[in-house]
Amino acid sequence: DQQVKQNSPSLSVQEGRISILNCDYTNSMFDYFLWYKKYPAEGPTFLISISSIKDKNEDGRFTVFLNKSAKHLSLHIVPSQPGDSAVYFCAASRGGSNYKLTFGKGTLLTVNP
Amino acid sequence: GAVVSQHPSRVICKSGTSVKIECRSLDFQATTMFWYRQFPKKSLMLMATSNEGSKATYEQGVEKDKFLINHASLTLSTLTVTSAHPEDSSFYICSARDAKLAGRSSTDTQYFGPGTRLTVL
Repeated sequence: DQQVKQNSPSLSVQEGRISILNCDYTNSMFDYFLWYKKYPAEGPTFLISISSIKDKNEDGRFTVFLNKSAKHLSLHIVPSQPGDSAVYFCAASRGGSNYKLTFGKGTLLTVNP
Repeated sequence: GAVVSQHPSRVICKSGTSVKIECRSLDFQATTMFWYRQFPKKSLMLMATSNEGSKATYEQGVEKDKFLINHASLTLSTLTVTSAHPEDSSFYICSARDAKLAGRSSTDTQYFGPGTRLTVL
C-alpha cells in the first residue's frame, strides 16, 4: 500500500523555467511533509518541509504547496538550474516522538541547459 | 552543521558472512536514528527505528535477528547484516534526528548519511 505517491517517474525542463514536482498521499493522519533531493549513490539531502497547518512554505528558489483537502503537495523550483538535476523524494510523517518518514518513489528531474 | 556519516561506503562480501555498517552524527546528538534500504529505482523503505539506550523498533516484515541494530551512544548506531545472502544486496541509508530540535522547531527533520552499498556474492 503506497501511502505516498509520486506518479511521475521523470520530468524534463529547460534551464530558467519552472519545475513542478507533484506528490499525493492517502493517509489523512500525515501532518508533516518534506522534500528531499538525492544524487546517485548518495543519501537524500533535505530541501524544504511544510506542516499541515500551513499551505505554503518558501525558501529561496524552492516553494512547497500543500492542499490538504486534495491530499496533494507540490514542489516548485524557479528558476530551474542544471545543478537541480537529481531524484526528488516526497516524504510524509505522522509526527510524534518516533518521527517515521514514509517516502514516495521519487521523480527524476532533468534540467537541460 | 547536521552532518551524518556512514562507514563503509561500499562493501562486497561472501554469502554467509556478517557485515556491520556504522552511522554517526558528527556535530549533533541523535537520540533517534533510522535505518532505510533502497532497491534500484525504488523508494527508501524504513527498516527500523533506533533509540539510544533501548531496543530498536522494527518495521513489519523486517527480521530483527537478521538485521541487528545497536544504538550505544547519542552519536553512533550500527546495523549488522548477519549471514548475508545475495538478496540482502542493497543500498542502506541511515538518518538521524537532532535531539535539541526534536519537536520544537520547524527545522526538526532527519539528516541522512551518504549510504552504504552492500553487495553479497
